[in-house]
Amino acid sequence: KNEVEQSPQNLTAQEGEFITINCSYSVGISALHWLQQHPGGGIVSLFMLSSGKKKHGRLIATINIQEKHSSLHITASHPRDSAVYICAVRSSSNTGKLIFGQGTTLQVKP
Amino acid sequence: DAGVIQSPRHEVTEMGQEVTLRCKPISGHNSLFWYRQTMMRGLELLIYFNNNVPIDDSGMPEDRFSAKMPNASFSTLKIQPSEPRDSAVYFCASRPLTTSYEQYFGPGTRLTVT
Repeated sequence: KNEVEQSPQNLTAQEGEFITINCSYSVGISALHWLQQHPGGGIVSLFMLSSGKKKHGRLIATINIQEKHSSLHITASHPRDSAVYICAVRSSSNTGKLIFGQGTTLQVKP
Repeated sequence: DAGVIQSPRHEVTEMGQEVTLRCKPISGHNSLFWYRQTMMRGLELLIYFNNNVPIDDSGMPEDRFSAKMPNASFSTLKIQPSEPRDSAVYFCASRPLTTSYEQYFGPGTRLTVT
């Protein structure tokens, strides 16, 4: 079993829909990252969080440390949100290594 | 700030050839990471430097891979000899000298070994 599991693996939505991507992990962590990778390949860090909730524009990330679970929400989705969303955790047992989920491929149709 | 710079952006080489990938981290960042991304395995950490010193190289696949960081502004990842299974996108990322764990990724180098 992978240490970081994302669901769903693939997601298709209509423009305007509310989207949720989930991430569960099995290791102790000091931080969790949500990354976005567009079809061109570049990786952008969306959020880094260790507790609670963060919001940036239409994106919201939450984390529940006790349940070892995080969610990334996209409100009022738009075709430009189409990308691969990757959850990664920084294990509390090492000095900086990130452990990645397999990614969720999101397609938002107009 | 130019962000993390990687070169080349694309590399096509024949099996058996030596390949050198280059990375310039963001100025002032004291941690540098090399990742590999493939369809089968997703993103994997290869090696991680802190203050130019390799901290964790457990992800380096085998002796054909080596990485160096001679100074705070430059790192190389070398594959010698290259094999077709090394074909992947190689990302470099750096992290600032703060308590933040956020990493900044370069654009990646797409390597194709034929």
